[in-house]
Amino acid sequence: GAVVSQHPSRVICKSGTSVKIECRSLDFQATTMFWYRQFPKQSLMLMATSNEGSKATYEQGVEKDKFLINHASLTLSTLTVTSAHPEDSSFYICSALSGGALDTQYFGPGTRLTVL
Amino acid sequence: GESVGLHLPTLSVQEGDNSIINCAYSNSASDYFIWYKQESGKGPQFIIDIRSNMDKRQGQRVTVLLNKTVKHLSLQIAATQPGDSAVYFCAENGVLGGGYQKVTFGTGTKLQVIP
Repeated sequence: GAVVSQHPSRVICKSGTSVKIECRSLDFQATTMFWYRQFPKQSLMLMATSNEGSKATYEQGVEKDKFLINHASLTLSTLTVTSAHPEDSSFYICSALSGGALDTQYFGPGTRLTVL
Repeated sequence: GESVGLHLPTLSVQEGDNSIINCAYSNSASDYFIWYKQESGKGPQFIIDIRSNMDKRQGQRVTVLLNKTVKHLSLQIAATQPGDSAVYFCAENGVLGGGYQKVTFGTGTKLQVIP
């Protein structure tokens, strides 16, 4: 159980375009989902916390207008990188938890974004 | 500020030996810790967790030790296998004000298993 999927697994786009990444909890309902980005050989950095039916909470330094997050249902959250630039190239990972305090987060397989 | 860090960025271990990966945390209020394994190009995979009311927890071939006095966490892998080669992250999972949950990851340790 506790499977989280992401789509696409990798995407290459031109500078200036927008890219949408989907995160789905396959066998449980996720009241909260998290979005991380990870640069090569570095740790995961939390970008934002997404709660179903409400606005996402962004970490300091993360532009909410740049990284649009929508958590429309208990099994789906999307991250849209708007007007992508080469510096947005990274590994984006989502995680989900089913609710309750101190619950374990289960991670998706990640999405490799390359902006040309 | 809050931080979760690791002592060793890279650890090389002979196949069959035991591995010990260490982690230091700075937030004394932290009460839940998790170890994750991340293989290249993949998302983190849950290995084992421990709550602050425990000092040891065992899983299959893995043991996590928590020393709250010195704010230190370790992951022990018994009889290390080539498939254990990956980057290991400790993570501090806490509930902040208003019930907001946040995970803070350490910098990671790369485990290399020598056949």
